[in-house]
Amino acid sequence: EVQLVESGGGLVQPGGSLRLSCAASGFTFSRYWMHWVRQAPGKGLVWVSRIKSDGSSTHYADSVKGRITISRDNAKNTLYLQTNSLRDEDTAVYYCVRENNWSLDYWGQGTLVTVSS
Amino acid sequence: DIVMTQSPDSLAVSLGERATINCKSSQSVLYSSNNKNCLAWYQQKPGQSPKLLIYWASTRESGVPDRFSGSGSGTDFTLTISSLQAEDVAFYYCQQHYTTPFTFGGGTKVEI
Repeated sequence: EVQLVESGGGLVQPGGSLRLSCAASGFTFSRYWMHWVRQAPGKGLVWVSRIKSDGSSTHYADSVKGRITISRDNAKNTLYLQTNSLRDEDTAVYYCVRENNWSLDYWGQGTLVTVSS
Repeated sequence: DIVMTQSPDSLAVSLGERATINCKSSQSVLYSSNNKNCLAWYQQKPGQSPKLLIYWASTRESGVPDRFSGSGSGTDFTLTISSLQAEDVAFYYCQQHYTTPFTFGGGTKVEI
């Protein structure tokens, strides 16, 4: 069974940093592109970032470029999202998602990041 | 960036009736190499993570009931629920997976 379990969310002050993690199991993690998608409270889905199966290529939404870094450790079956210079508008549930057939077929339960002073 | 526009924002449908959700992209998402449209539909029930329903515009994900169907090509797409069930109450989102950023539509709330 495919499982994606996010962790690392919490309350952080504006300008602060957090590192989100996503532990993957039930599939060969190193073969899949992976994504982060976020959802602000009561709002819709927003794509954040994507990383190639071997980590050699990454893509970012303009809204987070320069402040967020996606990475992965295939030996540990773990996806990461380093978030820096956080703003109020970064408050959201962050989902770790697997890509298959170019679409997003498995989603984690999400981890909540709250940016507030 | 490709802008995805969904309509309506919400709709109320009687049990057993048809629900239709539209999605329009600001440019074609037809991938010429395989002649497939890079458009997916997701369902998100209250308090849950999104779930993939349809990809390549019309391919149903494994385990998705056949009352869900996707159609369309180029820039105009439709998700149809042929006979609405109580468990279909949810938000529905379209997303283009043609190019990054993989943009989503604003969502459609379906209720009874």
